[in-house]
Amino acid sequence: AQKVTQAQTEISVVEKEDVTLDCVYETRDTTYYLFWYKQPPSGELVFLIRRNSFDEQNEISGRYSWNFQKSTSSFNFTITASQVVDSAVYFCALSEAQAGTALIFGKGTTLSVSS
Amino acid sequence: SAVISQKPSRDICQRGTSLTIQCQVDSQVTMMFWYRQQPGQSLTLIATANQGSEATYESGFVIDKFPISRPNLTFSTLTVSNMSPEDSSIYLCSVESVYGGELFFGEGSRLTVL
Repeated sequence: AQKVTQAQTEISVVEKEDVTLDCVYETRDTTYYLFWYKQPPSGELVFLIRRNSFDEQNEISGRYSWNFQKSTSSFNFTITASQVVDSAVYFCALSEAQAGTALIFGKGTTLSVSS
Repeated sequence: SAVISQKPSRDICQRGTSLTIQCQVDSQVTMMFWYRQQPGQSLTLIATANQGSEATYESGFVIDKFPISRPNLTFSTLTVSNMSPEDSSIYLCSVESVYGGELFFGEGSRLTVL
């Protein structure tokens, strides 16, 4: 069975601090996708990244970076120099790597960034 | 990316009534997914709706409570039947990218049941 664990329920930081959101997953599939979504207070889900299980290269996009480690089944998300606008709930998710497969979501981590 | 419109965006409903949520996509998609997000919780998949066949429900969700229609490749509805306060949630429609892998989400329908 597939499972996504986000052990950090809530994180509070002060602006400009770096913060890492942890994500650990379980799957029996050899091919799968991992995702991160952001849900700001307004409620919409914002897609951040999708990673294929065959691609373990870390990715950086502006202040965001992702560390995928298959050996530890982790897909962690780091925000560098956090800003108040980063305050949101962040969800890690997993799906089989075939068309028409739904996502399995973790419970989410609420990030609060204060000025 | 796909543009997904959901109606209603929010509603307040009375216990025992039913409400139908509509999901319209601006392009043809094979699979549409319905999720529920209870207050302060994560997203839970209710069912997968494939055009031309009955929806596939996840454990804990049944067709009598959450009937789904999928009349064409751009539209689906989810009905929440005989509502109780426990059904107060955000209901989200999502579709898969035509290129595979990424799921796009509507803005959600926030239901409050009194």
